[in-house]
Parts: sequence; structure tokens; C-alpha cells
Amino acid sequence: EDQVTQSPEALRLQEGESSSLNCSYTVSGLRGLFWYRQDPGKGPEFLFTLYSAGEEKEKERLKATLTKKESFLHITAPKPEDSATYLCAVQISGGSNYKLTFGKGTLLTVNP
Amino acid sequence: NAGVMQNPRHLVRRRGQEARLRCSPMKGHSHVYWYRQLPEEGLKFMVYLQKENIIDESGMPKERFSAEFPKEGPSILRIQQVVRGDSAAYFCASSPAGGRDNEQFFGPGTRLTVL
Repeated sequence: EDQVTQSPEALRLQEGESSSLNCSYTVSGLRGLFWYRQDPGKGPEFLFTLYSAGEEKEKERLKATLTKKESFLHITAPKPEDSATYLCAVQISGGSNYKLTFGKGTLLTVNP
Repeated sequence: NAGVMQNPRHLVRRRGQEARLRCSPMKGHSHVYWYRQLPEEGLKFMVYLQKENIIDESGMPKERFSAEFPKEGPSILRIQQVVRGDSAAYFCASSPAGGRDNEQFFGPGTRLTVL
């Protein structure tokens, strides 16, 4: 069964304190790995898609990387407005390649 | 360009009533997906629809739940005879047709509370 595990469940940082969130996955074949941000009471907001090991993508203070077993979301010099739940999801290759399988998320809190 | 729209944002039903959740995809998107987020759980896939077609409903409970995406109008997720366990946030996502870069864009969700 396809599995996505995110760690840590919660992370508290001081403003400017860089860190990384982890997403490990076990799938039969990876089509794509997605990162989303979710604010309280809102829907997930798309951040990145990664397709192959070694791929990296950046957006402002965020950088996502991918290996054959896991993905990292690096947050450089975070600000309080980066506080949110970060979700990782995978799509598998094959017949149901549209279906997103999500992890439970990492709740990030950035204190001023 | 308006994003994915869902209504109502909050819905309260008593046990045994029906709940109807609506989703209008982004302009130009013809694929709609419904996901459910239970408390303390990750988002779970329910159903994938294209206009007038259900492509995959493998994640949807076989009883009481149904979904449609008519030729005209929004996609509807219908829950009959709701029970307390149906209380959750229901999210709709949409994507353009096909292609590798078919990121799914999510709406704000409908939070269903069953009393």
C-alpha cells in the first residue's frame, strides 16, 4: 500500500531559524511528489511538484528537494507568515495516476 | 481568474438529513476531485469526475454518498442520511485536462458538522 509519512508532526522555530521538513514515501512507482501549504480554515495551496530524484525547486524562502525515498522542504530564514501546515502528497504511476495520497502534515509555527 | 469555489463554507445537519456540497472548478478546468479531511487525519481521495462522467469513485463510501459533475453547473457531492462520523472538511480540487503538469488546485472547503 502506498504510504506517505511526514516528520516532525509539529515544529516551532524562531524567526530567522532555518530548518527542514521531511516527507518519506513508499510507493510502487512515483509519478510526482507535491508540496502544499494549508492555513487554518482554508484549502491546501499548491507550492511545488517534483518528478525525479535530484530535482529541486525554489520559491522565496522555500526549497523542495527529492530523492528516491523522500523529499525535504527547506525553509531558510523563516518569517511568522510562513506559519502553516505543510502537506506532502504523491501520485503514483499507472492507472490511478491522478489520485493524490497525502501525509498528515507538519504544523510549522514561526515565532517573532 | 477566480479559483476553485465551494459552497457552503459551513454546513450543519442533524443526523438523518441530507447534505449537498457544491464545487465550481477553476475556469478552463474540466477535471474535479473530492477529498475528505477528518480530524487528525490526512486528506483522503474520494472521487474523480469529468463532465458527465465519474472516472473513479473508489475512495467514496458505497452507501449514502454520491457525486456528479453535470454538463452545466457545479459538481455536487451528496451525502444522504448523514451520521456523526460524516463530520469533516470536504475539499474539492480541479485540474486542466491531461498532461504531466496537472497540479490540482483546491477550494476553501466545506466544513460539515453533523449534530
